[in-house]
Amino acid sequence: EDQVTQSPEALRLQEGESSSLNCSYTVSGLRGLFWYRQDPGKGPEFLFTLYSAGEEKEKERLKATLTKKESFLHITAPKPEDSATYLCAVHKYGGSQGNLIFGKGTKLSVKP
Amino acid sequence: DAGVTQSPTHLIKTRGQQVTLRCSPKSGHDTVSWYQQALGQGPQFIFQYYEEEERQRGNFPDRFSGHQFPNYSSELNVNALLLGDSALYLCASSRGGTGYQSNYGYTFGSGTRLTVV
Repeated sequence: EDQVTQSPEALRLQEGESSSLNCSYTVSGLRGLFWYRQDPGKGPEFLFTLYSAGEEKEKERLKATLTKKESFLHITAPKPEDSATYLCAVHKYGGSQGNLIFGKGTKLSVKP
Repeated sequence: DAGVTQSPTHLIKTRGQQVTLRCSPKSGHDTVSWYQQALGQGPQFIFQYYEEEERQRGNFPDRFSGHQFPNYSSELNVNALLLGDSALYLCASSRGGTGYQSNYGYTFGSGTRLTVV
């Protein structure tokens, strides 16, 4: 069965302390990998799509990278407003798990 | 440009009751997928509707059913509610059915928080 595993489950950082979130996957028929941000009680908000190994995308303090087996979300000099749960999802065609298969997320807390 | 709209935002139901949740997709989108997100978990795929038909289904019992209307809006129905059905129900819209691929991902609504007591 296709799987998406995110680590760590929770991450506490001080403001300005850079770190990385990991998303490892085993998926057949991968079409792409998405990163989403989710605030409490809200729906996921799209951040990035990555399609091929070696690809990188950046947005403000966030940078996403992709290899053949995992993706990293690097957070540089985070601010308290970056606190949220970050979800990784792999996109594939068909299957009983649907087109988007999500990990459980990493809950990021950034303290001032 | 309106995004995905879900209603209601919160709902409390009693075990055994039935519930209907509604979703209006983003303008230009014709495909609606429903997800269940339990507390502390990632969203789990329920089913997807395209051209008014269920195109894919996840591992959810028949108590979960849906419908898509000609204007692309969708409903999720859950019968015989169980305590374990308490979750955030998310609607995601996209284009082109199961063949969808985009640089902008699927657009999610803010969800309906269902509590079963």
